[in-house]
Amino acid sequence: AQKVTQAQTEISVVEKEDVTLDCVYETRDTTYYLFWYKQPPSGELVFLIRRNSFDEQNEISGRYSWNFQKSTSSFNFTITASQVVDSAVYFCALMEGTFGFNKFYFGSGTKLNVKP
Amino acid sequence: ETGVTQSPTHLIKTRGQQVTLRCSSQSGHNTVSWYQQALGQGPQFIFQYYREEENGRGNFPPRFSGLQFPNYSSELNVNALELDDSALYLCASSLGQGLSYEQYFGPGTRLTVT
Repeated sequence: AQKVTQAQTEISVVEKEDVTLDCVYETRDTTYYLFWYKQPPSGELVFLIRRNSFDEQNEISGRYSWNFQKSTSSFNFTITASQVVDSAVYFCALMEGTFGFNKFYFGSGTKLNVKP
Repeated sequence: ETGVTQSPTHLIKTRGQQVTLRCSSQSGHNTVSWYQQALGQGPQFIFQYYREEENGRGNFPPRFSGLQFPNYSSELNVNALELDDSALYLCASSLGQGLSYEQYFGPGTRLTVT
């Protein structure tokens, strides 16, 4: 079974539309971390956010917001008023395991196309 | 502040050969992780090194091995290359042991095995 599932392979929106990228994860650990990364066409992964399993507060950073719900094992990412520069592949990731024996799992990514 | 750098950028090898990929950590970072990203897929965790010791490993066979040096730079070695090893290999550095820390990724090395 997939540890991290990003069911949306590709999404296309028009500039200024809001868009939500879904992420569902699976773990038996009580302590774990969730991440979102952006991979623009240049290829370098860029860190966006980290959340630990004990912090279910939603977070907003400018046009970006994240909704973490342990009850549904989801960590969704919303971009408000999307811009062309938001076009990229977005990865959700899970870190689990004990200290020193961590494992890291990425989802398969959602490609976001923002058209002018 | 220098970011994560990787060399070479591209590499073509023949099945059965061995390859070494290199990574220089971001200044001050003592942890390096390696990932394999096949085309159209998410990165897969290979292993992590913290202060020259392997500190975690994904589901990769022993022919994938690594080293971390006292200056925290790192190498990824792959023996007996297979066609499926063709991928983008990403290196990431962070400050602190474990994968819960923010990781800074390099641009990657594109390996093609023919």
